[in-house]
Amino acid sequence: AQRVTQPEKLLSVFKGAPVELKCNYSYSGSPELFWYVQYSRQRLQLLLRHISRESIKGFTADLNKGETSFHLKKPFAQEEDSAMYYCALSLGAGGTSYGKLTFGQGTILTVHP
Amino acid sequence: DAGITQSPRHKVTETGTPVTLRCHQTENHRYMYWYRQDPGHGLRLIHYSYGVKDTDKGEVSDGYSVSRSKTEDFLLTLESATSSQTSVYFCAIGQSSYEQYFGPGTRLTVT
Repeated sequence: AQRVTQPEKLLSVFKGAPVELKCNYSYSGSPELFWYVQYSRQRLQLLLRHISRESIKGFTADLNKGETSFHLKKPFAQEEDSAMYYCALSLGAGGTSYGKLTFGQGTILTVHP
Repeated sequence: DAGITQSPRHKVTETGTPVTLRCHQTENHRYMYWYRQDPGHGLRLIHYSYGVKDTDKGEVSDGYSVSRSKTEDFLLTLESATSSQTSVYFCAIGQSSYEQYFGPGTRLTVT
């Protein structure tokens, strides 16, 4: 079965510092990887997905199949980036996968002024 | 926010009582999911639906049942609530594998 691991439960940085949230996964095939974010008092929402190769709010994530990692990075953290971040994996919507997501444990990012 | 609501938003109930949580969508999305969120575990899939009357178990389905009699509603039932089911429950909807949209969550406390 697939598994997603986020080794850091808490991560604190100062404003303007680089930030990296780690995500490792275990799956022998080619999964789809996502980062979801939950800001205080808001709904969980998609931040980015690896197939889009886009940058959202200055965040990027590169899928490294050799290391089975999908780390989230931002060169200069902002206070508004403080939130809970979840890495998630999907086997797609085809067959019997139905777009189900497997989530990591989550990382709480705090950006200090 | 996508048109997805959950009711109730907060509930306190006693051990052994039945509880039903409702998820309602106005997006006509095919897939609907119930997750629970617990510290140290992230979100875990309880049950999901891939169409009206088509449902299946997720990772942590024991003690839960679901029903989907129409596209817009997905009900989660705890037949006999236990303290281990104290959690925050999230409903999500999706039309493809590219993105799921989440509801606001229901905070359930079982005393």
